Amino acid sequence: GAGVSQSPRYKVAKRGQDVALRCDPISGHVSLFWYQQALGQGPEFLTYFQNEAQLDKSGLPSDRFFAERPEGSVSTLKIQRTQQEDSAVYLCASSQDRISNQPQHFGDGTRLSIL
Amino acid sequence: KQEVTQIPAALSVPEGENLVLNCSFTDSAIYNLQWFRQDPGKGLTSLLLIQSSQREQTSGRLNASLDKSSGRSTLYIAASQPGDSATYLCAVDTGRRALTFGSGTRLQVQP
Repeated sequence: GAGVSQSPRYKVAKRGQDVALRCDPISGHVSLFWYQQALGQGPEFLTYFQNEAQLDKSGLPSDRFFAERPEGSVSTLKIQRTQQEDSAVYLCASSQDRISNQPQHFGDGTRLSIL
Repeated sequence: KQEVTQIPAALSVPEGENLVLNCSFTDSAIYNLQWFRQDPGKGLTSLLLIQSSQREQTSGRLNASLDKSSGRSTLYIAASQPGDSATYLCAVDTGRRALTFGSGTRLQVQP
């Protein structure tokens, strides 16, 4: 596709359930990023992949959060045993290059609500 | 730890005005700075990227400047239009690839 695609757009889950969020980056983009955005705030970094390698996961808030990109294309962010504070918009971004001179292109996000 | 601050948090102007949005960051060791636009319920659209060696970038009615030594960037919007209404976010990359964002300036342009 032309842009970064995320699914689902909206997800409602009960506290304690596991959820999986999907990101399809722009075709051929080497780098992929996940961010978490709380209401009224800027996005906060979660994790970064270069191809299939997870190079930085320093932003993941707890061991309940797990991300993978097994074939270097589609990525999944999984949250286990969800809690109410996990409610946020989860944004995925991709970038063409592996160095810091290309802009990051963002998807429309998945809005996660934990009841 | 890098911190990014955007002032003002919200701004309302009449159509046609020129305006300036401000962004400041605490650690001047950055690789680049990006300005984004975010419409309600949408993701971020990249507007301008300024490399650390550059002083400014221009795209249409938008001009972004960067003063690394003082930790500041400004986004100048000329002849504002109602379609410019959105939240504008600045973000810095310190070379780790992870972007550090400000909280944004919510802009409303009145017709």
